[in-house]
Amino acid sequence: TQLLEQSPQFLSIQEGENLTVYCNSSSVFSSLQWYRQEPGEGPVLLVTVVTGGEVKKLKRLTFQFGDARKDSSLHITAAQPGDTGLYLCAGGGNAGGTSYGKLTFGQGTILTVHP
Amino acid sequence: GAGVSQSPSNKVTEKGKDVELRCDPISGHTALYWYRQSLGQGLEFLIYFQGNSAPDKSGLPSDRFSAERTGGSVSTLTIQRTQQEDSAVYLCASSFRDRGGEETQYFGPGTRLLVL
Repeated sequence: TQLLEQSPQFLSIQEGENLTVYCNSSSVFSSLQWYRQEPGEGPVLLVTVVTGGEVKKLKRLTFQFGDARKDSSLHITAAQPGDTGLYLCAGGGNAGGTSYGKLTFGQGTILTVHP
Repeated sequence: GAGVSQSPSNKVTEKGKDVELRCDPISGHTALYWYRQSLGQGLEFLIYFQGNSAPDKSGLPSDRFSAERTGGSVSTLTIQRTQQEDSAVYLCASSFRDRGGEETQYFGPGTRLLVL
């Protein structure tokens, strides 16, 4: 069974602070996705990383995929109250090769950014 | 709208009753997934459809759970003889694969099921 350990579970910070969320596994994933979920809605995809060592930036968000494709991080610079939400990492497929996009999700990080 | 829709948005039922949850995927998406989101459990994969076939049902928790998809479009998830531990948000996602082979899943808003 593939597992994704996401940390921290809860993060409460002040506006303007930086933060990092981690996603770790003992399994190799063919891709790693980060989602954000608002209350009462489904998760919305932020980014997909597929190459070991890959770094992607989305405005103030920086996503990194570990060299061995077992871990990932999400870094937010100068957090804003609008960043508040549930952040989920999800691993796609496995090195052995399911060819479809069955996702294994981490437990999620609830981020609260106070004004 | 053009997104994935699910109905009902909320369902309260009594223990032992059967419930049906519906998912309308984005038109043209051939793949459809059901997930369950519980407090403290994150999102758990339930079942995957490619067209009308379900090549992976490995996440269904018990034989009380079943799902079907018709016409390569609408899917229903049925829970028979509901138990309190079935209370959760049931999420549906549909997807397509781009020219580069990358797949993007689009999630519906979910059905919040409460079993009393």
